[in-house]
Amino acid sequence: AQSVAQPEDQVNVAEGNPLTVKCTYSVSGNPYLFWYVQYPNRGLQFLLKYITGDNLVKGSYGFEAEFNKSQTSFHLKKPSALVSDSALYFCAVRGSGGYNKLIFGAGTRLAVHP
Amino acid sequence: KAGVTQTPRYLIKTRGQQVTLSCSPISGHRSVSWYQQTPGQGLQFLFEYFSETQRNKGNFPGRFSGRQFSNSRSEMNVSTLELGDSALYLCASSLELSYEQYFGPGTRLTVT
Repeated sequence: AQSVAQPEDQVNVAEGNPLTVKCTYSVSGNPYLFWYVQYPNRGLQFLLKYITGDNLVKGSYGFEAEFNKSQTSFHLKKPSALVSDSALYFCAVRGSGGYNKLIFGAGTRLAVHP
Repeated sequence: KAGVTQTPRYLIKTRGQQVTLSCSPISGHRSVSWYQQTPGQGLQFLFEYFSETQRNKGNFPGRFSGRQFSNSRSEMNVSTLELGDSALYLCASSLELSYEQYFGPGTRLTVT
Protein backbone atom coordinates (compact mmCIF):
# COMPACT_ATOMS: atom_id res chain seq x y z
CA ALA A 1 0.00 0.00 0.00
CA GLN A 2 1.12 3.53 -0.72
CA SER A 3 2.24 5.62 2.22
CA VAL A 4 4.08 8.81 3.00
CA ALA A 5 6.11 9.66 6.09
CA GLN A 6 7.16 13.09 7.28
CA PRO A 7 9.47 12.31 10.18
CA GLU A 8 9.55 15.81 11.68
CA ASP A 9 6.51 17.40 13.29
CA GLN A 10 8.24 20.78 13.27
CA VAL A 11 11.26 22.35 11.65
CA ASN A 12 12.75 25.56 12.99
CA VAL A 13 14.95 27.72 10.76
CA ALA A 14 16.42 31.19 11.02
CA GLU A 15 15.45 33.62 8.28
CA GLY A 16 18.00 33.58 5.47
CA ASN A 17 19.19 30.05 6.23
CA PRO A 18 18.48 27.09 3.95
CA LEU A 19 15.58 24.86 4.90
CA THR A 20 14.79 21.21 4.34
CA VAL A 21 11.51 19.45 5.06
CA LYS A 22 11.83 15.69 4.84
CA CYS A 23 9.54 13.18 3.16
CA THR A 24 9.90 9.48 2.48
CA TYR A 25 7.46 7.37 0.55
CA SER A 26 6.45 3.80 -0.10
CA VAL A 27 4.75 2.95 -3.40
CA SER A 28 4.39 0.10 -5.80
CA GLY A 29 5.33 1.20 -9.26
CA ASN A 30 6.43 4.66 -10.29
CA PRO A 31 5.86 7.34 -7.67
CA TYR A 32 3.92 10.50 -8.41
CA LEU A 33 4.93 12.86 -5.61
CA PHE A 34 3.68 16.27 -4.54
CA TRP A 35 4.30 19.02 -2.03
CA TYR A 36 1.53 21.28 -0.75
CA VAL A 37 1.57 24.13 1.75
CA GLN A 38 -1.24 25.20 4.05
CA TYR A 39 -1.50 28.59 5.72
CA PRO A 40 -3.82 29.13 8.71
CA ASN A 41 -7.51 28.96 7.82
CA ARG A 42 -6.67 28.29 4.21
CA GLY A 43 -6.81 25.35 1.85
CA LEU A 44 -3.76 23.64 0.43
CA GLN A 45 -1.60 25.36 -2.16
CA PHE A 46 0.27 23.30 -4.74
CA LEU A 47 4.04 23.82 -4.62
CA LEU A 48 5.55 21.25 -6.96
CA LYS A 49 5.33 17.72 -8.30
CA TYR A 50 7.58 14.90 -9.48
CA ILE A 51 6.22 12.65 -12.18
CA THR A 52 9.29 11.66 -14.15
CA GLY A 53 12.52 13.16 -15.44
CA ASP A 54 15.02 15.36 -13.64
CA ASN A 55 15.46 14.45 -9.98
CA LEU A 56 15.54 18.13 -8.95
CA VAL A 57 12.13 19.69 -9.31
CA LYS A 58 11.60 23.43 -9.09
CA GLY A 59 8.33 24.82 -7.85
CA SER A 60 6.56 27.92 -6.63
CA TYR A 61 7.95 30.58 -4.26
CA GLY A 62 11.55 29.45 -4.70
CA PHE A 63 10.98 25.93 -3.39
CA GLU A 64 12.52 22.86 -4.93
CA ALA A 65 12.50 19.17 -4.13
CA GLU A 66 14.96 16.40 -4.71
CA PHE A 67 13.70 12.98 -5.72
CA ASN A 68 15.93 10.11 -4.60
CA LYS A 69 14.72 6.73 -5.78
CA SER A 70 17.26 4.65 -3.86
CA GLN A 71 16.38 6.34 -0.58
CA THR A 72 12.67 6.66 -1.48
CA SER A 73 12.79 10.28 -0.44
CA PHE A 74 11.39 13.53 -1.78
CA HIS A 75 12.74 16.30 0.45
CA LEU A 76 11.55 19.88 0.06
CA LYS A 77 14.22 22.56 0.05
CA LYS A 78 14.71 26.29 -0.19
CA PRO A 79 18.09 28.05 -0.27
CA SER A 80 17.05 31.03 1.86
CA ALA A 81 14.03 30.88 4.18
CA LEU A 82 11.61 33.76 4.67
CA VAL A 83 9.45 34.42 7.72
CA SER A 84 6.48 34.26 5.36
CA ASP A 85 7.37 30.62 4.58
CA SER A 86 6.13 29.67 8.05
CA ALA A 87 3.25 27.27 7.43
CA LEU A 88 2.23 23.61 7.42
CA TYR A 89 3.80 21.54 4.65
CA PHE A 90 2.39 18.30 3.30
CA CYS A 91 4.04 15.68 1.15
CA ALA A 92 1.70 13.46 -0.87
CA VAL A 93 1.79 10.51 -3.22
CA ARG A 94 -0.84 9.58 -5.74
CA GLY A 95 -2.60 6.44 -4.58
CA SER A 96 -2.87 3.14 -6.38
CA GLY A 97 -5.65 2.85 -8.88
CA GLY A 98 -4.56 6.08 -10.45
CA TYR A 99 -6.84 9.02 -10.89
CA ASN A 100 -6.59 11.73 -8.30
CA LYS A 101 -6.54 10.06 -4.92
CA LEU A 102 -3.74 11.64 -2.91
CA ILE A 103 -2.25 10.05 0.18
CA PHE A 104 -0.81 12.69 2.46
CA GLY A 105 1.86 12.66 5.10
CA ALA A 106 1.03 13.96 8.57
CA GLY A 107 2.48 17.35 7.78
CA THR A 108 5.48 19.31 9.03
CA ARG A 109 5.14 22.70 10.62
CA LEU A 110 7.85 25.06 9.43
CA ALA A 111 8.70 27.97 11.70
CA VAL A 112 11.06 30.58 10.30
CA HIS A 113 12.38 32.96 12.94
CA PRO A 114 13.57 36.50 12.20
CA LYS B 1 -9.27 32.48 -13.41
CA ALA B 2 -11.26 32.09 -10.23
CA GLY B 3 -10.07 29.38 -7.87
CA VAL B 4 -11.99 26.57 -6.29
CA THR B 5 -14.85 27.89 -4.21
CA GLN B 6 -16.54 26.11 -1.35
CA THR B 7 -19.73 27.02 0.46
CA PRO B 8 -20.44 27.50 3.22
CA ARG B 9 -17.11 28.30 4.83
CA TYR B 10 -18.30 27.53 8.34
CA LEU B 11 -21.10 25.33 9.56
CA ILE B 12 -22.34 24.25 12.97
CA LYS B 13 -24.64 21.25 13.17
CA THR B 14 -26.08 19.05 15.86
CA ARG B 15 -25.39 15.35 16.19
CA GLY B 16 -27.87 13.33 14.15
CA GLN B 17 -28.48 16.04 11.58
CA GLN B 18 -27.35 15.91 7.99
CA VAL B 19 -25.29 18.43 6.05
CA THR B 20 -24.55 19.26 2.42
CA LEU B 21 -21.36 20.99 1.34
CA SER B 22 -20.83 22.53 -2.07
CA CYS B 23 -17.78 22.90 -4.29
CA SER B 24 -17.34 24.79 -7.55
CA PRO B 25 -14.18 23.77 -9.42
CA ILE B 26 -11.91 25.96 -11.47
CA SER B 27 -13.46 26.66 -14.85
CA GLY B 28 -12.61 23.84 -17.25
CA HIS B 29 -11.71 21.35 -14.55
CA ARG B 30 -13.84 18.23 -14.68
CA SER B 31 -12.35 16.25 -11.81
CA VAL B 32 -13.38 17.05 -8.25
CA SER B 33 -12.01 15.32 -5.17
CA TRP B 34 -12.98 15.66 -1.52
CA TYR B 35 -10.77 15.32 1.54
CA GLN B 36 -11.37 15.42 5.26
CA GLN B 37 -8.78 17.09 7.49
CA THR B 38 -8.73 16.49 11.24
CA PRO B 39 -5.98 16.97 13.85
CA GLY B 40 -6.02 13.27 14.70
CA GLN B 41 -6.29 11.62 11.29
CA GLY B 42 -4.74 14.28 9.09
CA LEU B 43 -5.81 14.57 5.48
CA GLN B 44 -7.89 11.67 4.22
CA PHE B 45 -9.35 11.08 0.78
CA LEU B 46 -13.12 10.83 0.65
CA PHE B 47 -14.01 10.44 -3.03
CA GLU B 48 -13.38 11.68 -6.54
CA TYR B 49 -15.80 12.53 -9.30
CA PHE B 50 -15.23 12.96 -12.99
CA SER B 51 -17.94 13.68 -15.55
CA GLU B 52 -20.65 13.04 -12.96
CA THR B 53 -19.25 9.59 -12.11
CA GLN B 54 -17.57 8.55 -8.89
CA ARG B 55 -14.18 7.16 -9.88
CA ASN B 56 -12.66 6.48 -6.53
CA LYS B 57 -13.76 6.24 -2.92
CA GLY B 58 -11.89 6.33 0.37
CA ASN B 59 -12.53 4.32 3.51
CA PHE B 60 -15.44 6.23 4.96
CA PRO B 61 -18.82 4.92 6.05
CA GLY B 62 -21.82 5.10 3.78
CA ARG B 63 -23.04 8.18 5.66
CA PHE B 64 -20.64 10.11 3.46
CA SER B 65 -21.83 10.51 -0.09
CA GLY B 66 -21.34 12.87 -2.96
CA ARG B 67 -22.34 13.72 -6.45
CA GLN B 68 -21.24 15.83 -9.37
CA PHE B 69 -23.42 17.83 -11.69
CA SER B 70 -23.12 18.35 -15.44
CA ASN B 71 -21.40 21.72 -14.87
CA SER B 72 -18.75 19.90 -12.76
CA ARG B 73 -19.94 21.42 -9.50
CA SER B 74 -19.95 18.89 -6.72
CA GLU B 75 -21.71 18.37 -3.43
CA MET B 76 -20.97 16.07 -0.57
CA ASN B 77 -23.48 14.99 2.00
CA VAL B 78 -23.01 13.60 5.47
CA SER B 79 -26.04 12.06 7.11
CA THR B 80 -26.60 11.27 10.77
CA LEU B 81 -23.75 13.47 11.89
CA GLU B 82 -21.44 12.30 14.65
CA LEU B 83 -19.13 14.36 16.83
CA GLY B 84 -16.16 12.79 15.04
CA ASP B 85 -17.31 14.29 11.75
CA SER B 86 -16.12 17.70 12.94
CA ALA B 87 -13.39 18.59 10.46
CA LEU B 88 -12.23 20.81 7.67
CA TYR B 89 -13.63 19.45 4.41
CA LEU B 90 -11.51 20.32 1.41
CA CYS B 91 -12.47 20.13 -2.21
CA ALA B 92 -9.90 19.98 -4.99
CA SER B 93 -10.23 20.19 -8.74
CA SER B 94 -7.96 19.21 -11.59
CA LEU B 95 -7.86 18.98 -15.33
CA GLU B 96 -8.43 15.64 -16.98
CA LEU B 97 -5.14 13.74 -17.22
CA SER B 98 -3.42 16.35 -15.11
CA TYR B 99 -1.65 15.56 -11.89
CA GLU B 100 -1.81 18.60 -9.67
CA GLN B 101 -4.94 19.32 -7.76
CA TYR B 102 -6.03 22.80 -6.73
CA PHE B 103 -7.73 23.10 -3.40
CA GLY B 104 -10.48 25.35 -2.17
CA PRO B 105 -10.39 27.09 1.23
CA GLY B 106 -12.48 24.37 2.83
CA THR B 107 -15.65 24.16 4.87
CA ARG B 108 -15.14 24.01 8.62
CA LEU B 109 -17.87 21.72 10.02
CA THR B 110 -18.45 21.61 13.75
CA VAL B 111 -20.81 18.98 15.15
CA THR B 112 -22.12 19.60 18.66
